[in-house]
Amino acid sequence: NAGVTQTPKFRVLKTGQSMTLLCAQDMNHEYMYWYRQDPGMGLRLIHYSVGEGTTAKGEVPDGYNVSRLKKQNFLLGLESAAPSQTSVYFCASSSPTGSETQYFGPGTRLLVL
Amino acid sequence: RKEVEQDPGPFNVPEGATVAFNCTYSNSASQSFFWYRQDCRKEPKLLMSVYSSGNEDGRFTAQLNRASQYISLLIRDSKLSDSATYLCVVNIKGGTYKYIFGTGTRLKVLA
Repeated sequence: NAGVTQTPKFRVLKTGQSMTLLCAQDMNHEYMYWYRQDPGMGLRLIHYSVGEGTTAKGEVPDGYNVSRLKKQNFLLGLESAAPSQTSVYFCASSSPTGSETQYFGPGTRLLVL
Repeated sequence: RKEVEQDPGPFNVPEGATVAFNCTYSNSASQSFFWYRQDCRKEPKLLMSVYSSGNEDGRFTAQLNRASQYISLLIRDSKLSDSATYLCVVNIKGGTYKYIFGTGTRLKVLA
């Protein structure tokens, strides 16, 4: 099993450009999450999904949109990138039953110039 | 007040030492508790879940004190490979099912 994968691993954008980050999991998890991690801030939840076709806002949703059209995929979109969105983005998935452990992808490093 | 608070460290300890980290949480609705390990520029990985009765996994021991709302992690016989940032995580159920992360405690084990 690959677990949680993220593409791309690294990206440089200019202010105003758009992009989509893809997260895929093969563990049949119901729940998926997008976080950003900045120095000294810890991981902050951007958006999450408790099932296919459903999404919800997290702590810092402004400037981002998400979609969960398939259970195994969770997409994070930046419509008009800003320098403040320079960060490391982690996707995670979990099951609401059992151990409830979150499994993380390897991260996407985004630099917005 | 942050929902989950940790001492950022760094804790610099010699190999073989015992080191302990504490983490406090403010939301009494917190129901599940975890310690994650994060190596530099890598993703967080589960170190261990924390159970009400306390639990041990090799050199690692986790404790939960619901009355005082804190959890702890004890590492015995520290190894160089234990150098990392340790993240305290609580899971809050109910209206919003979410995980709250502390900012992490950095550990450096010195030869």
